[in-house]
Amino acid sequence: KAGVTQTPRYLIKTRGQQVTLSCSPISGHRSVSWYQQTPGQGLQFLFEYFSETQRNKGNFPGRFSGRQFSNSRSEMNVSTLELGDSALYLCASSPGLVAGELFFGEGSRLTVL
Amino acid sequence: AQSVTQLGSHVSVSEGALVLLRCNYSSSVPPYLFWYVQYPNQGLQLLLKYTSAATLVKGINGFEAEFKKSETSFHLTKPSAHMSDAAEYFCAVSDDSGYALNFGKGTSLLVTP
Repeated sequence: KAGVTQTPRYLIKTRGQQVTLSCSPISGHRSVSWYQQTPGQGLQFLFEYFSETQRNKGNFPGRFSGRQFSNSRSEMNVSTLELGDSALYLCASSPGLVAGELFFGEGSRLTVL
Repeated sequence: AQSVTQLGSHVSVSEGALVLLRCNYSSSVPPYLFWYVQYPNQGLQLLLKYTSAATLVKGINGFEAEFKKSETSFHLTKPSAHMSDAAEYFCAVSDDSGYALNFGKGTSLLVTP
């Protein structure tokens, strides 16, 4: 069974630009979550989608958005990039049960210059 | 709000020695607790999960954790460290919604020959 696939793995942007990250979940998983990982703040929850509906959102500004498609694939977008947005963005999928195990992808490492 | 605190950002042990990584939780209700491991340049992998079925939880790679309500702790242990155990370890608790995890800051485990 293929794991969670995130693209691109690495990208460099400049301040003010926007970025879109993609995540393909494990086949059959209907829930996709996004987390931001930085050395200073650690792992922080961004949002979670289940069957195209956002069920939960973390404490991030509106520049961070996401969506989920009917095939469960998900994208997240960050607009007007700031230096502080440099991070590893991790996607995780699960069947969608309460407190279920999350299966993480390898992440997309974003560097903002 | 559910949260976890990991004591010790870095832990160093000799190969063959006991591994003990500490995690304390703060929760107003019985929590769902997790331990994840992250190897360099990779995503997170679940080691084990506590869901109140048993206080001693056995996970992968010889790790186990004991839930102690009186101490609000969920420490991770392994009797004998291997070089391959060197990684970042994260304790996490399911948030109020049940669809997201609140992670600790992580503990970097170094295993010396």
